[in-house]
Amino acid sequence: DAGVTQSPTHLIKTRGQQVTLRCSPISGHKSVSWYQQVLGQGPQFIFQYYEKEERGRGNFPDRFSARQFPNYSSELNVNALLLGDSALYLCASSFGGRFEAFFGQGTRLTVV
Amino acid sequence: EDQVTQSPEALRLQEGESSSLNCSYTVSGLRGLFWYRQDPGKGPEFLFTLYSAGEEKEKERLKATLTKKESFLHITAPKPEDSATYLCAVQGDQKLVFGQGTRLTINP
Repeated sequence: DAGVTQSPTHLIKTRGQQVTLRCSPISGHKSVSWYQQVLGQGPQFIFQYYEKEERGRGNFPDRFSARQFPNYSSELNVNALLLGDSALYLCASSFGGRFEAFFGQGTRLTVV
Repeated sequence: EDQVTQSPEALRLQEGESSSLNCSYTVSGLRGLFWYRQDPGKGPEFLFTLYSAGEEKEKERLKATLTKKESFLHITAPKPEDSATYLCAVQGDQKLVFGQGTRLTINP
């Protein structure tokens, strides 16, 4: 069975640009969450979607947005990129609630 | 606010030298505590879930235990391939709250 897949794996963008990251969850999983991981730190929660509805939002500016599609895949959008947005962006899928979350390999975003 | 603190930040062991990693947490109603392994540049790999104090889980050279305030990841006779960052997280309201991780290095 395929695990969580994310695309692209690496991305370089210029300050002020916009970026879209994509995630396909494990088959049967209806919950997708997004995390930002800066080097040397643990992942920080950005969004959670369950059954296509936003169920949680972390302490990130409105430049960050996300959505979940009918097939449960998800996109994370970041507008007006700043140098500080450079990080590993992780997508996790689960059945929902207190079930284990399984992570993709991440998208490494570099803003120059 | 839910909070997770891991110690030590980094640990260097010789192959075969057993040790433990600590995860202290404060959470309003524990819904689950998770351990992950993360290799450089990759996503976290799920290891264990613990739900209640006294619970223990084992996998190869790793054993996770849980009390009301902390969790331990015991590593027995580690090998160089066990080198990685180990992350602890608690299940909060709609999200996982992670610690900063323990970077484990096993020297041959």
